[in-house]
Amino acid sequence: EDQVTQSPEALRLQEGESSSLNCSYTVSGLRGLFWYRQDPGKGPEFLFTLYSAGEEKEKERLKATLTKKESFLHITAPKPEDSATYLCAVQDFQGGSEKLVFGKGTKLTVNP
Amino acid sequence: DSGVTQTPKHLITATGQRVTLRCSPRSGDLSVYWYQQSLDQGLQFLIQYYNGEERAKGNILERFSAQQFPDLHSELNLSSLELGDSALYFCASSVATEYEQYFGPGTRLTVT
Repeated sequence: EDQVTQSPEALRLQEGESSSLNCSYTVSGLRGLFWYRQDPGKGPEFLFTLYSAGEEKEKERLKATLTKKESFLHITAPKPEDSATYLCAVQDFQGGSEKLVFGKGTKLTVNP
Repeated sequence: DSGVTQTPKHLITATGQRVTLRCSPRSGDLSVYWYQQSLDQGLQFLIQYYNGEERAKGNILERFSAQQFPDLHSELNLSSLELGDSALYFCASSVATEYEQYFGPGTRLTVT
């Protein structure tokens, strides 16, 4: 069964203090790994898709990377508006379904 | 704004009742997914439809059912509601099954 584990569960940073969030996964055959941002009471907002080990994607202060067993979301010089829960999800080739299996997320708080 | 719409935004109902949640996917998207998010379980996949046909089922209770109509909008029906069904219900859509999913704003269901 697919599994996704995110760490840490919560992270507090000062504005400008760079850090990384981790997503470890176990899948039979990875079709894609997805990063989402979710604000309280809102729907997840799509950030990135990564398909193969070694791939990297960037958007503003965020950079996502992928290895065969984990993905990292690097946040460079974060601002208070980056505060949110970041969700990682995997999609695999097995079972004929394109469902996403989500981790429980990392709640990021950036203090001014 | 992801382009996915969900109604109603909030729903408060009593145990034993039945409710219907509605989702309109992004223009052009053929695939619709339903997810449930509760505090302790995180985002859980319920069911997927593709161009009107059921494609995959996840952790969906027998009391719950869904359908996708010819105009591609989808409805999730929840019956014999229990307190534990209180959660955020999200709909997501994608242009095809292997692409990223875009989430709606969700329906917050409270069962009293």
